[in-house]
Amino acid sequence: AQSVTQLDSHVSVSEGTPVLLRCNYSSSYSPSLFWYVQHPNKGLQLLLKYTSAATLVKGINGFEAEFKKSETSFHLTKPSAHMSDAAEYFCVVYYTGGFKTIFGAGTRLFVKA
Amino acid sequence: EAGVAQSPRYKIIEKRQSVAFWCNPISGHATLYWYQQILGQGPKLLIQFQNNGVVDDSQLPKDRFSAERLKGVDSTLKIQPAKLEDSAVYLCASRGTSGEGTQYFGPGTRLLVL
Repeated sequence: AQSVTQLDSHVSVSEGTPVLLRCNYSSSYSPSLFWYVQHPNKGLQLLLKYTSAATLVKGINGFEAEFKKSETSFHLTKPSAHMSDAAEYFCVVYYTGGFKTIFGAGTRLFVKA
Repeated sequence: EAGVAQSPRYKIIEKRQSVAFWCNPISGHATLYWYQQILGQGPKLLIQFQNNGVVDDSQLPKDRFSAERLKGVDSTLKIQPAKLEDSAVYLCASRGTSGEGTQYFGPGTRLLVL
């Protein structure tokens, strides 16, 4: 069955330290992969997407993600966390064959001063 | 270009009342989605439209929820009668015709059922 697993429900980092949010997916086909961010009481904003071009994808606000087909992973990273990065992050997979979108359960990022 | 519009932004009703939410997608986007996001959870797909046809409504509680997109543009989601567990944010998203699947989300409607 198709699924998306965000390996951490909560991640806490100190401001200025690196961020790593992990995402694994299951797939029989080459999917499109997305990371969305949701700040409190806000809608979902697209951070970045992978659509079968370069495997290292750069997004907004200094975030990037690397598509690793052999590991079926699409982890989100940022070299230096900022207080404004505190939010909920969703890994999303779109299966083009079935036109189906699957959301991960989300990872809440806390940033300590 | 204008984003996905939703209204109202907030709604408080009592259980057993009815409520309706409206969504206007990005111009030209054929695919429209309604999601339910309960506090602390990820969005759950309720219904997906392709133009004015339903593609997927497998998780829509059809005894109380209904949705329509009559002209293939804007859409309405209705709950009748509402239950306490329907308290959530209802998100609308739209997708264009490119094959890569990017969805653009509206700000959501926050529903509180008392």
